[in-house]
Amino acid sequence: GAVVSQHPSWVICKSGTSVKIECRSLDFQATTMFWYRQFPKQSLMLMATSNEGSKATYEQGVEKDKFLINHASLTLSTLTVTSAHPEDSSFYICRPEGGYNEQFFGPGTRLTVL
Amino acid sequence: DQQVKQNSPSLSVQEGRISILNCDYTNSMFDYFLWYKKYPAEGPTFLISISSIKDKNEDGRFTVFLNKSAKHLSLHIVPSQPGDSAVYFCAASGASFMNNNAGNMLTFGGGTRLMVKP
Repeated sequence: GAVVSQHPSWVICKSGTSVKIECRSLDFQATTMFWYRQFPKQSLMLMATSNEGSKATYEQGVEKDKFLINHASLTLSTLTVTSAHPEDSSFYICRPEGGYNEQFFGPGTRLTVL
Repeated sequence: DQQVKQNSPSLSVQEGRISILNCDYTNSMFDYFLWYKKYPAEGPTFLISISSIKDKNEDGRFTVFLNKSAKHLSLHIVPSQPGDSAVYFCAASGASFMNNNAGNMLTFGGGTRLMVKP
């Protein structure tokens, strides 16, 4: 299967700080990147979709100025949570895609905002 | 409006028996369905998928059945093992997403927590 990495795997930060999460597809080129988050005991919720070199498309209810997505290359996308607050504490997961049958998620990043 | 639903939040099964996880969908444009397994604090792991041109796909202990007329799919795990204990998500997508270069957007169900007892 495809290898997808996320860094960091767990981050704890103070309220008001910004946190950057990296997602890398290590063995294929990801033309599209999906970012999800999962709150405890809830399903995966799509936050945004980005194509390489283009601006991300955000789902309803997701603030684009708060969750900055950069997809500058075919192997790297970043999600920056700006001015994080405790309610942003969640599990963030990326899913890079390079074709119809690409189905692999990153291992996830747990964000805890104090 | 939830387009993909897993009506059972949890399921408990004895080791060695069959686990049946169900999923219903409403969008008739969905034509590709996937099952993922997820442990806490980990990304989902792909298990098995099925295209709408099929009604069954089997991979080892895992079999997915698709009933298009009922807009229903199920995942059968047999025999169930304690290591199968996890949350299982079904997901659906439509081929039209592939054609407009928007990637393969997946719509997830709410998940079912499977507990396999030794």
